[in-house]
Amino acid sequence: EPEVTQTPSHQVTQMGQEVILRCVPISNHLYFYWYRQILGQKVEFLVSFYNNEISEKSEIFDDQFSVERPDGSNFTLKIRSTKLEDSAMYFCASSEWLADEKLFFGSGTQLSVL
Amino acid sequence: AQKVTQAQTEISVVEKEDVTLDCVYETRDTTYYLFWYKQPPSGELVFLIRRNSFDEQNEISGRYSWNFQKSTSSFNFTITASQVVDSAVYFCALRVGDDKIIFGKGTRLHILP
Repeated sequence: EPEVTQTPSHQVTQMGQEVILRCVPISNHLYFYWYRQILGQKVEFLVSFYNNEISEKSEIFDDQFSVERPDGSNFTLKIRSTKLEDSAMYFCASSEWLADEKLFFGSGTQLSVL
Repeated sequence: AQKVTQAQTEISVVEKEDVTLDCVYETRDTTYYLFWYKQPPSGELVFLIRRNSFDEQNEISGRYSWNFQKSTSSFNFTITASQVVDSAVYFCALRVGDDKIIFGKGTRLHILP
């Protein structure tokens, strides 16, 4: 079965540094998402992306965050200046169609901000 | 506003027992989608089921079954004859018209051998 791949699986960074989390969605999918899960808490929506632009974003997704699809396969989440509270598991997901389709999640990137 | 409530934070049952995970949702929209995801100890999110608001038929898949009741805004998940491998966090989720899924806080299920 096709899968969403995320790299790296674990990223450690110093507070204030920029990080880029990378995702390769399933090739024929058109909708892309980032979610995050702070340890032991629920999965929270960050942003959705379609047709090379953001469709929707949550209040968590402030000016420190950005997303990009730099080529035909990658989908990246950039955090410009990391804060301690950005430490979380970040999940990328993709879907073929809007709303009527399940999301396929990657295995996540654990971001630790020191 | 949309909301998903999983009132059970943690459940422990002995292997082979049946267990039901509760999910109550809130939305004013008439078209919506409900999901269950499993998060095993390894951390990934695994899709289990999607149900749209117009289909109230209950569904069974092996040892898993789902009971969707619009009258009570509930979408409960039952595991029959539980196994140790069922130990995980289970998330109920709601998607309304647009393109984001709202997750509940999850229920951590321990299946004891």
